[in-house]
Amino acid sequence: NAGVTQTPKFQVLKTGQSMTLQCAQDMNHEYMSWYRQDPGMGLRLIHYSVGAGITDQGEVPNGYNVSRSTTEDFPLRLLSAAPSQTSVYFCARGLQDGNAYEQYFGPGTRLTVT
Amino acid sequence: AQSVTQLGSHVSVSEGALVLLRCNYSSSVPPYLFWYVQYPNQGLQLLLKYTTGATLVKGINGFEAEFKKSETSFHLTKPSAHMSDAAEYFCAVNDAGGFKTIFGAGTRLFVKA
Repeated sequence: NAGVTQTPKFQVLKTGQSMTLQCAQDMNHEYMSWYRQDPGMGLRLIHYSVGAGITDQGEVPNGYNVSRSTTEDFPLRLLSAAPSQTSVYFCARGLQDGNAYEQYFGPGTRLTVT
Repeated sequence: AQSVTQLGSHVSVSEGALVLLRCNYSSSVPPYLFWYVQYPNQGLQLLLKYTTGATLVKGINGFEAEFKKSETSFHLTKPSAHMSDAAEYFCAVNDAGGFKTIFGAGTRLFVKA
């Protein structure tokens, strides 16, 4: 699992419900990120963090919140689920190499919003 | 702004044939370039990366890629395809600040027996 665990593996929500996708790493990397994967669109960055207490927005942050209280954990919260948030969500830890991060991905959470 | 274009959403080759997956990038800064592979129902796995130095980069499973600045390309190749290479492949580039990675749309590789 590349040192990244994600729970749950599958989730079905109704429109308007909220939930938290869990992500944890065991490599003590400062950098972590959340992506969503949709057919034909590759991966799009939702939020990222460069250390405990430090988070920032990616390409598609609307409708999602994150926090980073510890190095190990980086949960993603859906505030009020919408069908457009049906997707596969991947969390990753990043190892810095110069001006970029090589990333190690978890197995993903498949979310369906009805 | 940085961007990545992968030419061909699907590529089909015969087992033993050359694999060529195309990637072109746009970057306002010296690029860091990556290829990731995703097997069915799994997360992405790093295949190889270019940061600085040698422009021909070798990765896992016999794959390699060549950085060509003049062509803004970073194509992925493997001399002889194996059935186990069937997967989706993503090219990616760092953004100018280094904290965001921009992914291409992906190319699904099919390998025929």
